[in-house]
Amino acid sequence: AQTVTQSQPEMSVQEAETVTLSCTYDTSENNYYLFWYKQPPSRQMILVIRQEAYKQQNATENRFSVNFQKAAKSFSLKISDSQLGDTAMYFCAFADSGAGSYQLTFGKGTKLSVIP
Amino acid sequence: DAGVIQSPRHEVTEMGQEVTLRCKPISGHDYLFWYRQTMMRGLELLIYFNNNVPIDDSGMPEDRFSAKMPNASFSTLKIQPSEPRDSAVYFCASSGLAGGETQYFGPGTRLLVL
Repeated sequence: AQTVTQSQPEMSVQEAETVTLSCTYDTSENNYYLFWYKQPPSRQMILVIRQEAYKQQNATENRFSVNFQKAAKSFSLKISDSQLGDTAMYFCAFADSGAGSYQLTFGKGTKLSVIP
Repeated sequence: DAGVIQSPRHEVTEMGQEVTLRCKPISGHDYLFWYRQTMMRGLELLIYFNNNVPIDDSGMPEDRFSAKMPNASFSTLKIQPSEPRDSAVYFCASSGLAGGETQYFGPGTRLLVL
């Protein structure tokens, strides 16, 4: 079974600074997908970024980028120029690529606070 | 696109009552997922459907929980009878394909069972 581990329950960062959230996972699969979701106080789950395991290039979305290390099974999220609106819970998630055996597995989350 | 729609957004009920949560997935999405989020257990997949057919309900906690998808644009999650330990946020999500396509979440239903 796949597992996703987020080792930082809470983090804080000064506004405009850069912060990196860690995520490791365990799988025997070779093809899979990884996601970061953001959950602000409103509780809405919002996709931040998505990475396909067969792509070596790290995904980026504006101020958000990932460092995907497949051999190390690591998938960290870097937030540049942090903004107050980035304050939220961040969940790392793993998805098996095989149709018919689909399940999205989430980590426990990292609570990020952006300090003005 | 309106996104995934869930109703009600908040539900307060008394132990023993029946609770029905509703979900409308994004039009054209073939997969629909029900999750539960609690502080103790985090986000758990309860059940998912493909083309209105339940594929995996191994996450449904017990027989008090049931889910249906009578058509491509509507699903329900029912708890009967409800218990205080069912208090949680219940999310519905949909996606276009299994195997890694992004799941888009609804706003969730916050359930409190007294």
